[in-house]
Amino acid sequence: DAGVIQSPRHEVTEMGQEVTLRCKPISGHNSLFWYRQTMMRGLELLIYFNNNVPIDDSGMPEDRFSAKMPNASFSTLKIQPSEPRDSAVYFCASSLDGAVDTQYFGPGTRLTVL
Amino acid sequence: SQQGEEDPQALSIQEGENATMNCSYKTSINNLQWYRQNSGRGLVHLILIRSNEREKHSGRLRVTLDTSKKSSSLLITASRAADTASYFCATDSRESGGSNYKLTFGKGTLLTVNP
Repeated sequence: DAGVIQSPRHEVTEMGQEVTLRCKPISGHNSLFWYRQTMMRGLELLIYFNNNVPIDDSGMPEDRFSAKMPNASFSTLKIQPSEPRDSAVYFCASSLDGAVDTQYFGPGTRLTVL
Repeated sequence: SQQGEEDPQALSIQEGENATMNCSYKTSINNLQWYRQNSGRGLVHLILIRSNEREKHSGRLRVTLDTSKKSSSLLITASRAADTASYFCATDSRESGGSNYKLTFGKGTLLTVNP
């Protein structure tokens, strides 16, 4: 039974480069979430989708961040241009029904921006 | 600011002992959830307790909720080395004036169980 799948697991890039993180939610789940985790700020919700529609993007740090969900089985989080302060672990999670339902997390993408 | 905050930040115990972690929150909630995160992994849901429940059990886990004090506790009995992880509480909340609820996570308690 596949859980949430994220790729890549690790990404090292140089400042100014574009970074694209990918996520495949659990089949049948209608909500998808992107989180960022750092030691300083803990786990922060960046954006969440319900039925492929962005519902709350108030956590997206700035215009350099964008997220899409073209269909129910795929989402991307893009950072362009990347900066060293974007270094963090990015998690994707999905839930069966809505933002406050039990969430199932992927393994995360560890991003390092040099 | 964080809706849920765990206490203590770190806890170290011996295998076989019980571990208690606390979570305090600020605004009223519909439910509270506890998650575990092993080092380098994603969060795993442990248990959900609704605002009209006072206590819930799942295996060696016991969760209590006191809505009058806006606090919850997670008790792990007969701890094992494999319980070593960070534990987070998550509460549903919405921004003042907003209509969308979301889960807000605390910064977690790092539990170390020594063999």
